[in-house]
Amino acid sequence: DGGITQSPKYLFRKEGQNVTLSCEQNLNHDAMYWYRQDPGQGLRLIYYSQIVNDFQKGDIAEGYSVSREKKESFPLTVTSAQKNPTAFYLCASSINRLRKSPLHFGNGTRLTVT
Amino acid sequence: GQQVMQIPQYQHVQEGEDFTTYCNSSTTLSNIQWYKQRPGGHPVFLIQLVKSGEVKKQKRLTFQFGEAKKNSSLHITATQTTDVGTYFCAGPFYNNNDMRFGAGTRLTVKP
Repeated sequence: DGGITQSPKYLFRKEGQNVTLSCEQNLNHDAMYWYRQDPGQGLRLIYYSQIVNDFQKGDIAEGYSVSREKKESFPLTVTSAQKNPTAFYLCASSINRLRKSPLHFGNGTRLTVT
Repeated sequence: GQQVMQIPQYQHVQEGEDFTTYCNSSTTLSNIQWYKQRPGGHPVFLIQLVKSGEVKKQKRLTFQFGEAKKNSSLHITATQTTDVGTYFCAGPFYNNNDMRFGAGTRLTVKP
């Protein structure tokens, strides 16, 4: 079955440490996205990538970094510069961003930083 | 900036009652998408509306897209406990490819 896999489901880190969240898709989608979800709020875009080796900042990119070396993979690094990193992180993909097609989401990673 | 607003934030209903959530955009949307997120889960795509004034139905769910393509609604008839979750609208703006999500409406259903 095609889909998006995020790992791990839960992640705990100490303040000051960088942490990388994994996202893999086998849907052959060109576009991939990272969203952050906080309680009672909608989804806020961190970064997106329309094609391999290209990515763009979203609305809240500060303190985060990404890479897109392979079409299937779009890992997100939460750096120590991110002031409030504790949140639910969702990776998504779509056929093509320019076509404004629906998003397919992974199961998410819940990150807790203490 | 360009925003998508959604109301109400919360809705508690008795099983069997109807439910409606409303979505309004500050600018024209290319399309409107609706997602459902079950408690502890991830958003799942429900439907996409593209045409001005479009109405689509999925069993007890009715989705509408406004004539000006700036607002939308989701109506659930005779809610069931399986309808529990948060419903999000999302729309790519007509003048760019940015997708904006509403804050969501959290629906709880009392049996």
